[in-house]
Amino acid sequence: DIVLTQSPALAVSLGQRATISCRASQSVSISRYNLMHWYQQKPGQQPKLLIYRASNLASGIPARFSGSGSGTDFTLTINPVQADDIATYYCQQSRESPPTFGGGTKLELK
Amino acid sequence: EVQLVESGGGLVQPGRSLKLSCAASGFTFSNYGMAWVRQAPTKGLEWVATISYDGSSTYYRDSVKGRFTISRDNAKSTLYLQMDSLRSEDTATYYCARHVVSFDYWGQGVMVTVSS
Repeated sequence: DIVLTQSPALAVSLGQRATISCRASQSVSISRYNLMHWYQQKPGQQPKLLIYRASNLASGIPARFSGSGSGTDFTLTINPVQADDIATYYCQQSRESPPTFGGGTKLELK
Repeated sequence: EVQLVESGGGLVQPGRSLKLSCAASGFTFSNYGMAWVRQAPTKGLEWVATISYDGSSTYYRDSVKGRFTISRDNAKSTLYLQMDSLRSEDTATYYCARHVVSFDYWGQGVMVTVSS
């Protein structure tokens, strides 16, 4: 299985930039398609898709969220961070079955 | 608006069975693959199973193969997960999700607790 590694937590100030990273144990890219996706989960709620295929904003997601990366290294950026963004963020790969998720990065206020 | 509503969770003894349902609305259910994803208490997300748009193909994580069965009724726009021989490690919130390249819509989840 492809293992996705995320830092457990990140502390950030409101109005600043947050950069959340995800590293895969092997490439999750096929040709020009980067098969990495990002989700936001708030306490007591279901996950919500933010970014699909590394850099594409999902429907209804604010433009302060963006994604980048290829191969094994991917980044989710939130700029500027707002209070409503305090949540846990998960990366997920669909390059190989089984689909796997990172352990999640909890975004906290500094 | 896409809506996915799970039901059927609860407390069950080890070795017993439970069947989850997920009622879909707001999109053409029969055009999409669907999946179950679970989350143990205070843990991360774990994919469980996927079924193709027409039900002809199913995929499972190794730890549930032979115990869980994913199915769908396109006429009723409903997804199912039959869970047999339940173990304590199956305790989790189970989410149904629409499975495209990513999981683009999720239900609110249903809790399954396996305990004697």
